[in-house]
Amino acid sequence: EAGVAQSPRYKIIEKRQSVAFWCNPISGHATLYWYQQILGQGPKLLIQFQNNGVVDDSQLPKDRFSAERLKGVDSTLKIQPAKLEDSAVYLCASSFATLSYNEQFFGPGTRLTVL
Amino acid sequence: GEDVEQSLFLSVREGDSSVINCTYTDSSSTYLYWYKQEPGAGLQLLTYIFSNMDMKQDQRLTVLLNKKDKHLSLRIADTQTGDSAIYFCAERDSGGGADGLTFGKGTHLIIQP
Repeated sequence: EAGVAQSPRYKIIEKRQSVAFWCNPISGHATLYWYQQILGQGPKLLIQFQNNGVVDDSQLPKDRFSAERLKGVDSTLKIQPAKLEDSAVYLCASSFATLSYNEQFFGPGTRLTVL
Repeated sequence: GEDVEQSLFLSVREGDSSVINCTYTDSSSTYLYWYKQEPGAGLQLLTYIFSNMDMKQDQRLTVLLNKKDKHLSLRIADTQTGDSAIYFCAERDSGGGADGLTFGKGTHLIIQP
């Protein structure tokens, strides 16, 4: 079974520029998550989708971050404009959402460096 | 808000048992998880425990949950060099469809030969 795919793997931009990350979840997974992992910390949830609807975006900095999941499959996360503190690894995860323990499968992440 | 705390480092000798501890604050947590992160690799679920259980064993892994004290531990028996990684404790709330995880900062497990 193919895992969660993310691209690009690495991105370096200057502050105030825009950037977009792409995620392709495991086939059949209805739920998709974006997490931000700053160096030395655990992942922090940014947004959760169920199919193409937003379930939880309470921790998404909506003045600069946006995300969409068109057709309930792939998702993109955008930052515009980027700040230095946005340097982090952005992790995408997906799950069936029908299992009681709801295992989330994580992609390899996109490492963003903002200069 | 929700908070998950872990010690940052643990050093053990190869062949000994490792015990990684975690405390959490959200009393409504339904499931608690241990994830493993190796350099250059994604997060991998190791094991989980439902909040009405107090122990779960899976091969070399033993999870203990003290719900009264909101304390979770992961014991790895016969620790090997391949167990060297960062271990994250995470909790999931019960709340209404939103089931994103709250992670601790991770414990770096260092194996001494």
